[in-house]
Amino acid sequence: DAGVIQSPRHEVTEMGQEVTLRCKPISGHNSLFWYRQTMMRGLELLIYFNNNVPIDDSGMPEDRFSAKMPNASFSTLKIQPSEPRDSAVYFCASSTTADNEQFFGPGTRLTVL
Amino acid sequence: TQLLEQSPQFLSIQEGENLTVYCNSSSVFSSLQWYRQEPGEGPVLLVTVVTGGEVKKLKRLTFQFGDARKDSSLHITAAQPGDTGLYLCAGDQAGTALIFGKGTTLSVSS
Repeated sequence: DAGVIQSPRHEVTEMGQEVTLRCKPISGHNSLFWYRQTMMRGLELLIYFNNNVPIDDSGMPEDRFSAKMPNASFSTLKIQPSEPRDSAVYFCASSTTADNEQFFGPGTRLTVL
Repeated sequence: TQLLEQSPQFLSIQEGENLTVYCNSSSVFSSLQWYRQEPGEGPVLLVTVVTGGEVKKLKRLTFQFGDARKDSSLHITAAQPGDTGLYLCAGDQAGTALIFGKGTTLSVSS
């Protein structure tokens, strides 16, 4: 199994631009999670899906952030417009159930100038 | 308010030393997981503890779940440079997504 796949691995953009992060979970996993990690705030859960349905998006910072999971093998996290304070490493993780072991992708390091 | 408090936040030691890191909460968890994250990578699960008072060993790493299932500790014996990384604990409150602590950053120098 290839594990959780994220793209791109690095993204540098300018303030105001739209950013789309992509994730392919492990096949057969029913739960998918998006996290943001910074030194100051640690690993923050942004949103998670069960069977492609968003369950808890209370961690999404504001309306500039949106996430979709159109099918069991693909999810996106979009930031529009991006701001410098969005600079962080964004992780996608998947698991068989929401409270089970999570398998993390390698992360996307986002820098907003 | 951080539901899971990890301490210390940073730890820098010499190879061969022993250390303990802590994960504390006022809430009860069904289980608690420990992850290690190396630079440039995502966290990887080390162990899950489920029963109050449970002790699990993984080579030089010893994990303990508190009797009341509110806290946990990770003890490393004779630390090696390969143990360097961010150690995260994550609690499960039955059916909801895991709650992660902020982690302990460990640096082991040779």
